[in-house]
Amino acid sequence: EVQLVESGGGLVQPGGSLRLSCTVSGFTFSNYAMGWVRQAPGKGLEWVSSISGSGRSTYYAKSVKGRFTISRDNSKNTLYLQMNSLRAEDTAIYYCAKDSPDPVVVVIWIFDSWGQGTLVTVSS
Amino acid sequence: SSELTQDPAVSVALGQTVRITCQGDSLRDYSANWYQQKPGQAPVLVIYDKDNLPSGIPDRFSGSSSGNTASLTITGAQAEDEADYYCNSRDSSDNHVLFGGGTKLTVL
Repeated sequence: EVQLVESGGGLVQPGGSLRLSCTVSGFTFSNYAMGWVRQAPGKGLEWVSSISGSGRSTYYAKSVKGRFTISRDNSKNTLYLQMNSLRAEDTAIYYCAKDSPDPVVVVIWIFDSWGQGTLVTVSS
Repeated sequence: SSELTQDPAVSVALGQTVRITCQGDSLRDYSANWYQQKPGQAPVLVIYDKDNLPSGIPDRFSGSSSGNTASLTITGAQAEDEADYYCNSRDSSDNHVLFGGGTKLTVL
């Protein structure tokens, strides 16, 4: 069974930093691209960042480029999102998601399995 | 930049057929995927690559596309299908990904 479990969310002041983690099981992690998608309270889904299976290719939404960094440790089956210079508008539930129903290491933007999410609140 | 447009809300009588649409220029070049999200839960992929059904999804869900519009059809809607539905596809302007604003489906 595919499982994705996010952690690391919490309350942080504007300008602060936070690192999210997503530990996965039930599939060969290195064979799949992964992504982060967020959802502000009462709002729709917004793609944040994606990374290829090898970790060599990364992609960012304009709203977070230069502030967030996506990475992965395939030996630990873990995906990360380092978030710096946080703003109030970054407040959201952050979901990690597996990219593609099939083992395609490149990013193809089909989020076929999702974690339960971790809440990030940016407020003073 | 591109965008995907969905009707904010749609309703359907129990057992009837409903179509939820997603419009955008990117859909002329790339296929849509559809996600179902129930309150307090993570999204679930229900259709991918225009018309493919993931394992475990009931076959009352189907997808199609024409021109700049992708559609999710539920044939014989059930009470448990009441949820928010989101489309997504690759953004042809920057090769990243777009999500539609979501459609709230009410089953009457």
